[in-house]
Amino acid sequence: DGGITQSPKYLFRKEGQNVTLSCEQNLNHDAMYWYRQDPGQGLRLIYYSQIVNDFQKGDIAEGYSVSREKKESFPLTVTSAQKNPTAFYLCASSTMGGPGSYEQYFGPGTRLTVT
Amino acid sequence: GENVEQHPSTLSVQEGDSAVIKCTYSDSASNYFPWYKQELGKGPQLIIDIRSNVGEKKDQRIAVTLNKTAKHFSLHITETQPEDSAVYFCAAKNFGNEKLTFGTGTRLTIIP
Repeated sequence: DGGITQSPKYLFRKEGQNVTLSCEQNLNHDAMYWYRQDPGQGLRLIYYSQIVNDFQKGDIAEGYSVSREKKESFPLTVTSAQKNPTAFYLCASSTMGGPGSYEQYFGPGTRLTVT
Repeated sequence: GENVEQHPSTLSVQEGDSAVIKCTYSDSASNYFPWYKQELGKGPQLIIDIRSNVGEKKDQRIAVTLNKTAKHFSLHITETQPEDSAVYFCAAKNFGNEKLTFGTGTRLTIIP
């Protein structure tokens, strides 16, 4: 099956710990994105990457870090510096260039709870 | 930057009736407008999109209209069914920018 996988579906951590969320895609998409979703709010962009070994900050990058060592993978680390990390995290991907390049496809999400 | 406003935040519709969700955007350079459906506990799913060179697009029971002059676009769902119950998000993007800006979502409930 082609698509985007995120693991785990639920993640629990103690305050002060860093945690890494996984995102893998087999769609051969160049661009990948991380969004945060809070209840009653839209999706807010954390980081995005258009090419391997390069990434850009989104609107709410503080307290987060990413890497893009492989085209298929774009892990997100929620650091202890993130003041309110409990949220639903969504990974997405899209092609670059061509008629379908604007369509972003989302993974199933990871719900992170920090106590 | 772009700002997208979405209304209403909640909408209840009798099964078989139509539902309309509206969005406005601020950046006149935006030229791509997708709509996503999100079911509980899942990621958003792209259901329809429209680009600025057309005013309306249909796909079976769903349609999207775009008014570039007024900077607003709408999602229309006809003959609603219980499985249409979900949260719907609109978004806007400029082709030269990789960022999608999302509205705050509409929770649609179809009443049997």
